[in-house]
Amino acid sequence: GAVVSQHPSWVICKSGTSVKIECRSLDFQATTMFWYRQFPKQSLMLMATSNEGSKATYEQGVEKDKFLINHASLTLSTLTVTSAHPEDSSFYICSAKQFSNQPQHFGDGTRLSIL
Amino acid sequence: EDQVTQSPEALRLQEGESSSLNCSYTVSGLRGLFWYRQDPGKGPEFLFTLYSAGEEKEKERLKATLTKKESFLHITAPKPEDSATYLCAVQANDRGLQGAQKLVFGQGTRLTINP
Repeated sequence: GAVVSQHPSWVICKSGTSVKIECRSLDFQATTMFWYRQFPKQSLMLMATSNEGSKATYEQGVEKDKFLINHASLTLSTLTVTSAHPEDSSFYICSAKQFSNQPQHFGDGTRLSIL
Repeated sequence: EDQVTQSPEALRLQEGESSSLNCSYTVSGLRGLFWYRQDPGKGPEFLFTLYSAGEEKEKERLKATLTKKESFLHITAPKPEDSATYLCAVQANDRGLQGAQKLVFGQGTRLTINP
C-alpha cells in the first residue's frame, strides 16, 4: 500500500520551455502533497505544500510564479517549471500523505535537465 | 528553528558488521521522528515513525530508538542490499495547519556494506 507514482522519471529540454511533472497517489487519497528538490549528495529541500482544492504554500525563497503547483484532485498534483533555465536542473521529488498522523510516502523522483 | 543533524556522513561496513547511525534533533515540540531509506536515483522509502522517548521499532535487521534529543538506527548483521542513504526527519507540533505537516530532513548517512 501507499504507492506514489511520479511521471516522467527523466526529462531533458531546452532553456525557456516549461515542464510539467505529475505526482499521483495510486492506492490512497492524498489530502496533502509536497514537492521537494534535491541536489547531488544533499538532503531534500521542501519547496511547497499543497492541499487538495486550495493554493499551495511555498517555502521562503521559492518563486511561486516559477514553480506552479496544482492539486486539483485527491490523487493528483502537478508541478510546472515555467521558462526553465539550466539552474533549474535538479532532482524533483513529490510525496503524499492521507492523514496528518501518517508518514509521507514519496514518488521516485524526476530528473530534470535543462540545456 | 528546527534542526536535524545526522552522523556519520558516510559509513562503510563489512557484511555482518553491526553498527548504529545517529540522528540528533532540535525541535520545539516533537510530533514525530521518521526514518527513510533512499537508494540512488530513487525517492525515499518509509521505514519507521517514532513518537515519544523510549519508543523502539524494528524491521528485519533495522531497529530505531528515540530519546528526547536523538534517535539511533541500529543495523544488525547488515547485508550488501542494506547499502543506501538513510534519512532522518522530524515533524514538529504547533506550526499551524500547513506547517504541522512539514518534515525537516537531516543530510543523511550514506551506508555501504561490503560483501
